[in-house]
Amino acid sequence: AQSVTQLGSHVSVSEGALVLLRCNYSSSVPPYLFWYVQYPNQGLQLLLKYTSAATLVKGINGFEAEFKKSETSFHLTKPSAHMSDAAEYFCAVSPGSNQFYFGTGTSLTVIP
Amino acid sequence: EAGVTQFPSHSVIEKGQTVTLRCDPISGHDNLYWYRRVMGKEIKFLLHFVKESKQDESGMPNNRFLAERTGGTYSTLKVQPAELEDSGVYFCASSQLRGTDTQYFGPGTRLTVL
Repeated sequence: AQSVTQLGSHVSVSEGALVLLRCNYSSSVPPYLFWYVQYPNQGLQLLLKYTSAATLVKGINGFEAEFKKSETSFHLTKPSAHMSDAAEYFCAVSPGSNQFYFGTGTSLTVIP
Repeated sequence: EAGVTQFPSHSVIEKGQTVTLRCDPISGHDNLYWYRRVMGKEIKFLLHFVKESKQDESGMPNNRFLAERTGGTYSTLKVQPAELEDSGVYFCASSQLRGTDTQYFGPGTRLTVL
């Protein structure tokens, strides 16, 4: 069975501080993993995806995520938060079938 | 290139009424998906079209939901009759390939059933 757990439905960071959004997954097969971001009144936008190549994946807007098989994790990080990073972030796993399995989302607030 | 578009952006209806949501995928994308997010919960898969054929509808909640994709272009999702628990945000996504190919999402339709 596939599932995704995102720890922390709300995360607040100061501008310029490290952003760390946690994602743990469960998958019966080697997974493909994704992070999406949703800005207000917009659709989900792909930040990055892991497809079994390099375990450290770089995405757009300075975000990156590291696939750790031993920890079944795919945490999203950004060294320095910007006000424009305030949004909701979703982790998703695809076991190779057509449907994606999403976490419940993490709302990121950036404090000036 | 235009992204995935959805109409309407918001819909407020009363219990028992009918609502039809529309999704226009990215041009050339044969794969079209519907998802739903109930407030505070995860985004859940509803169904998947390949062109005009339903490939997987295992996520459809019940027979009050009917999805169509005539001609393999845009898709509609009809809820009839709507119930309170149908409230949520309905997302549409499309992809060029199936499986693990990136899915591109629309902005969603927020449905409120009173």
